[in-house]
Amino acid sequence: NAGVTQTPKFQVLKTGQSMTLQCAQDMNHNSMYWYRQDPGMGLRLIYYSASEGTTDKGEVPNGYNVSRLNKREFSLRLESAAPSQTSVYFCASRSGQGASYEQYFGPGTRLTVT
Amino acid sequence: QKEVEQNSGPLSVPEGAIASLNCTYSDRGSQSFFWYRQYSGKSPELIMFIYSNGDKEDGRFTAQLNKASQYVSLLIRDSQPSDSATYLCAVSDSGYALNFGKGTSLLVTP
Repeated sequence: NAGVTQTPKFQVLKTGQSMTLQCAQDMNHNSMYWYRQDPGMGLRLIYYSASEGTTDKGEVPNGYNVSRLNKREFSLRLESAAPSQTSVYFCASRSGQGASYEQYFGPGTRLTVT
Repeated sequence: QKEVEQNSGPLSVPEGAIASLNCTYSDRGSQSFFWYRQYSGKSPELIMFIYSNGDKEDGRFTAQLNKASQYVSLLIRDSQPSDSATYLCAVSDSGYALNFGKGTSLLVTP
C-alpha cells in the first residue's frame, strides 16, 4: 500500500515549457487534490476532483489544467510555465467529504521555472 | 473568504515542556478540524483530527476545540526535539476541500 505517489520528485523547466505532474493513490479514495506550497503562503488549493469525472477550481487555478484520468489518477498540467509557478506541488486524496474524512498527501514535486 | 489563522512563530519550548499551538477560523459552518505536522522538505502528515467541542487526546497530543470561540488548539506534552516541525491547522465544512492555515513553526530545544 503506497498511499499517494507523485512523479517526478524534482523538475526544472524553462519559461514557456509545458509539463504534466502525475499523481496516483491506491486507497480507493473518491476525492483528489492539487496544492502548491510557497514560503510564507501556506498550502493553496489549485484544483480538486470530488469524484471520478469531475474537477473544480480551487483558490489559485490560473495557469493550470487538471485531468482525473480514473479513480486512482489525477494529473496537473502546466501549459506554459512561468517563474511564478516555481513551487512545491502536493497531491492529496480523501475518502469522502465533510466532517469524517481525513486527507493524505503525496511526497511532493519541487518545480523550478527559470 | 474562509480564513484560518495561525501564529507563524517560531514557538520555542524546552525539551519536556508543553507546547501549545493555536488556530482560529472564520467560517462558523466549519465542522471538522485537523492538525498536520510537516518536517522541512517533507509532505504534511496527519497527526490529529477533532469534530466535537472539548478535548481529544492521543498519546502526547491533545486537540482542543471551542466552536463558539472559533478556536482550535494542539497541545504537545513532554515535547521532544523530534517534534520540531511546522504544524498546520486545517478546517473543513461539509464540502470537499480543506482550508489550511500558514502553519506555526515549533522548535524544541534540548
